[in-house]
Amino acid sequence: EIVLTQSPGTLSLSPGERATLSCRASQSVRSNYLAWYQQKPGQAPRLLIYGVSSRATGIPDRFSGSGSGTDFTLTISRLEPEDFAVYYCHQYGSPFTFGPGTKVDIK
Amino acid sequence: EVQLVESGGALVQPGGSLTVSCAASGFRFSDLTMHWVRQASGKGLEWVGRIRDKGYNYATEYGASVSGRFFISRDDSKNMAYLHMNSLEVEDTAIYFCVRENWLLDYWGQGTLVTVSS
Repeated sequence: EIVLTQSPGTLSLSPGERATLSCRASQSVRSNYLAWYQQKPGQAPRLLIYGVSSRATGIPDRFSGSGSGTDFTLTISRLEPEDFAVYYCHQYGSPFTFGPGTKVDIK
Repeated sequence: EVQLVESGGALVQPGGSLTVSCAASGFRFSDLTMHWVRQASGKGLEWVGRIRDKGYNYATEYGASVSGRFFISRDDSKNMAYLHMNSLEVEDTAIYFCVRENWLLDYWGQGTLVTVSS
């Protein structure tokens, strides 16, 4: 099973700032099967990024993903008020696993 | 519009059983693999398991913490997926999400709450 580690646990930033979230896998992620989700309180997770760097339908271009092998990054270029949430990375090889999440909160 | 609606969550005693359901609409349900993912209050996401489509003989896979206790089934004629939970433990208390796999987990239901407590 691939274990995903996310850092930092919490990121405190102001609107307009750049957010950089890290996801590290315990072994290489097969075929770049790495996705990112955003979750707000009381809501289901929403798919942001799949295949490391492809944005899902309707996701604004301030969200971008990068990386390969075992190290991946989600970048939010300029934080909007609605971006403050928890972000999870996810690898969809089998068995599927999720990272523990990074909370982006308002500084 | 893709919709996944879970139901059946309840308060159950430790050692008990419960089945939760997922009603799917807005897509060709029989063609896709369906997953269950759970989330304990204030915690992260945990993959529970999946059931593949007819083309893969409805094969199932489960996460380590539920293997042997939880089982997933589906009824393609009703566009329904089910999670059958046995020998429930307090640690199984969580919101259970039904999720569609279209190469990846793209659409999620809103979840149903299962509470295991005496």
